[in-house]
Amino acid sequence: DTGVSQNPRHKITKRGQNVTFRCDPISEHNRLYWYRQTLGQGPEFLTYFQNEAQLEKSRLLSDRFSAERPKGSFSTLEIQRTEQGDSAMYLCASSPRGRGQQETQYFGPGTRLLVL
Amino acid sequence: SQQGEEDPQALSIQEGENATMNCSYKTSINNLQWYRQNSGRGLVHLILIRSNEREKHSGRLRVTLDTSKKSSSLLITASRAADTASYFCATDNNAGNMLTFGGGTRLMVKP
Repeated sequence: DTGVSQNPRHKITKRGQNVTFRCDPISEHNRLYWYRQTLGQGPEFLTYFQNEAQLEKSRLLSDRFSAERPKGSFSTLEIQRTEQGDSAMYLCASSPRGRGQQETQYFGPGTRLLVL
Repeated sequence: SQQGEEDPQALSIQEGENATMNCSYKTSINNLQWYRQNSGRGLVHLILIRSNEREKHSGRLRVTLDTSKKSSSLLITASRAADTASYFCATDNNAGNMLTFGGGTRLMVKP
């Protein structure tokens, strides 16, 4: 399967712990996005990368959230000092190169986080 | 923050019937997209309509866009039980930088 993959699929942690999620985009997709989705709501944009450059991060929910894409391939999203309100599904998406093609985003299965 | 709202929030129909979902948004857009999400899973892209288009078809899907009213509709014809899912509209106002999603319509198709 050459779709977007995310690991882990589920994460349970205790309040105050740090968590890190990984996203592997579709090969050769240069754009990578992170979204958060809470129960019963649509996804909410967090940040995106074009290659290794993080071009938008003002929507990250707080300074406890950070994301990296060091080599322009996979990305990680870290949440420090987790809070119960961080419990949600974290979705990653990627989009291809090319004018007119980059608008379609291909989503991974998500990482479901539960903070106890 | 959510860009727009889907209407209805929930819809229950019988297999074979048509399902219509509406989406309204607030700001000018480059394109509008519809996605499907099965329970607890990732989103699947269904169709994209650009701001200069008024109607688009893909299989059993028909999407309309009215930029003057800032609204779109998704019609699923001859629905099947497998169409049971949540459907989201998403607007892109800057050519792929980010999508802004609505709250979704939860569709149930009864066999």
